[in-house]
Amino acid sequence: IVLTQSPATLSLSPGERATLSCRASQSVYTYLAWYQQKPGQAPRLLIYDASSRATGIPARFSGSGSGTDFTLTISSLEPEDFAVYYCQQRLNWLTFGGGTKVEIK
Amino acid sequence: QVQLQESGPGLLKPSETLSLTCTVSGGSISGFYWSWVRQPPGKGLEWIGYFFHTGSTVYNPSLQSRVTISVDTSKNQFSLNLNSVTAADTAVYYCARDVRLGNRYYFDSWGQGTLVTVSS
Repeated sequence: IVLTQSPATLSLSPGERATLSCRASQSVYTYLAWYQQKPGQAPRLLIYDASSRATGIPARFSGSGSGTDFTLTISSLEPEDFAVYYCQQRLNWLTFGGGTKVEIK
Repeated sequence: QVQLQESGPGLLKPSETLSLTCTVSGGSISGFYWSWVRQPPGKGLEWIGYFFHTGSTVYNPSLQSRVTISVDTSKNQFSLNLNSVTAADTAVYYCARDVRLGNRYYFDSWGQGTLVTVSS
């Protein structure tokens, strides 16, 4: 299963809303997660099962979607949210999307 | 809180075998799935394979012919062997824990990663 993330780069200012997309080549139902990765760090789980926030993740992060189209929304960007975000499917083995970099405009 | 730490050689020559160990502390290796994931410099994440503490394994089909993941429950460690490496295997290698959340398993804990460079 191929996951395609868009856009590749998102240039926004702190306080703005970020909308990231992940499209699967076939339905993965809701078996999709989102991870955040900062430079030099391991990824961190944000969202699992498409819309459930992981422990300790702020409410400004939300996930939605099912089937082949998924969205990660950051309602109001904080300075620490500028990072790369990956989606991951867990229906059939495991694959990651190519990532979306959220950078400061 | 569980912690994971990768260890192993940082530099290999082409055709050699990559061998890494992940040491788990603060929790038992039993009862969980454990994975290896890699990330070439400046690129995205690639899952290598996972195993259950009983020894059953599943590998990424693209790497299956070269990969072996094994476990030593007495030391709370698991290992990755990748043979016949090339420059394309240069990457940061992460170990991660897979836990059941909701309907599926997801990575809730990761090691800090270790850079392995393949160069002649």
